Amino acid sequence: AQSVTQPDIHITVSEGASLELRCNYSYGATPYLFWYVQSPGQGLQLLLKYFSGDTLVQGIKGFEAEFKRSQSSFNLRKPSVHWSDAAEYFCAVGARQAGTALIFGKGTTLSVSS
Amino acid sequence: DAEITQSPRHKITETGRQVTLACHQTWNHNNMFWYRQDLGHGLRLIHYSYGVQDTNKGEVSDGYSVSRSNTEDLPLTLESAASSQTSVYFCASSAGTGFHEQYFGPGTRLTVT
Repeated sequence: AQSVTQPDIHITVSEGASLELRCNYSYGATPYLFWYVQSPGQGLQLLLKYFSGDTLVQGIKGFEAEFKRSQSSFNLRKPSVHWSDAAEYFCAVGARQAGTALIFGKGTTLSVSS
Repeated sequence: DAEITQSPRHKITETGRQVTLACHQTWNHNNMFWYRQDLGHGLRLIHYSYGVQDTNKGEVSDGYSVSRSNTEDLPLTLESAASSQTSVYFCASSAGTGFHEQYFGPGTRLTVT
């Protein structure tokens, strides 16, 4: 069955420290991969996406993610976290077919301490 | 600028009532989706549409219906609201040719009492 696992429900990081959020997926073929961020009371904003090509993708707000096929992972990273990064982060996968709905992980809540 | 809007943003209703949540996008996207978000479950797909007159059931479609009479709108109807349908509902859309990322609306918080 297709699924996305985000092993960490809640992570706290000090401001200025580096961040890595984990995402593992189970899928029959190479999927499209996404990271979305949701600030409190807001909708989801796309951070970055992987469709093909370079396995290290850059996104908005200084985030990057690396696709590792052998590990079925798509971890999100940021070298220096800002207090405004506190939010909920969702990893999602989609099939390589037009318009296919996404499968989301359950999310990781990021808290930033000063 | 193109956008996707949802209304109302907050709704309180009683068990058994019919409720319709509106979703309107000005991206001219063919594909539209409804998700619900619940603590500990992430986002789960309710219904989706690939174009006018097309609708499909998602993972958690029981008790919900949608209709697509034009490109811009995909209203979600709860036929007889239940307390288990208390949730935050998100509408999303994506372009129809090839695979494109989904753009999300701001959400509707529905409480069924």
